[in-house]
Amino acid sequence: AQSVSQHNHHVILSEAASLELGCNYSYGGTVNLFWYVQYPGQHLQLLLKYFSGDPLVKGIKGFEAEFIKSKFSFNLRKPSVQWSDTAEYFCAVNEGGSQGNLIFGKGTKLSVKP
Amino acid sequence: SQTIHQWPATLVQPVGSPLSLECTVEGTSNPNLYWYRQAAGRGLQLLFYSVGIGQISSEVPQNLSASRPQDRQFILSSKKLLLSDSGFYLCAWSVGVRPYNEQFFGPGTRLTVL
Repeated sequence: AQSVSQHNHHVILSEAASLELGCNYSYGGTVNLFWYVQYPGQHLQLLLKYFSGDPLVKGIKGFEAEFIKSKFSFNLRKPSVQWSDTAEYFCAVNEGGSQGNLIFGKGTKLSVKP
Repeated sequence: SQTIHQWPATLVQPVGSPLSLECTVEGTSNPNLYWYRQAAGRGLQLLFYSVGIGQISSEVPQNLSASRPQDRQFILSSKKLLLSDSGFYLCAWSVGVRPYNEQFFGPGTRLTVL
């Protein structure tokens, strides 16, 4: 069965530090990849997604992620974090031909110190 | 614009009692609907999805059931709750058949079974 691994449970950074959150998945076929974010007290919302084309995907709020097929990875990056980026981040995958059912990682909690 | 509602927001129930969580979507037709659970220290796990009225698919065997009596209503139920049913339950919707379409999440229901 598919699985998604997020390596860091909790990341603590100071403002302006660079961010990289790891995500690896286990499925060997065509996949669609997503990063969702949940800010404190808010709904889970889409940050960015990849389904084809340029493996470097740009999302909202300065986030980007790179799909590296050979490494089964879809790491999330931001060059300079802000206090407002404090949130929980979830990587998710679905198979290219599926109904759209997402397999989520366990999430990474990001705390940014002002 | 589309909105998704879930209620109740929080619920504390004794073991062995029944459960009914409701999710409704406004502003869209024929949505795909999903129920996820997030248990402590774990990622979001897909429980059920539905592509139409009366059509329910279960992803994991469990003590819960789902129903879709109307196009934009999705209900999660149990006849007798277990301690292990505690968690945060999220409803989500998407449209279309493309699996890379974004899923939109509701605010969630936090269920504590005592």
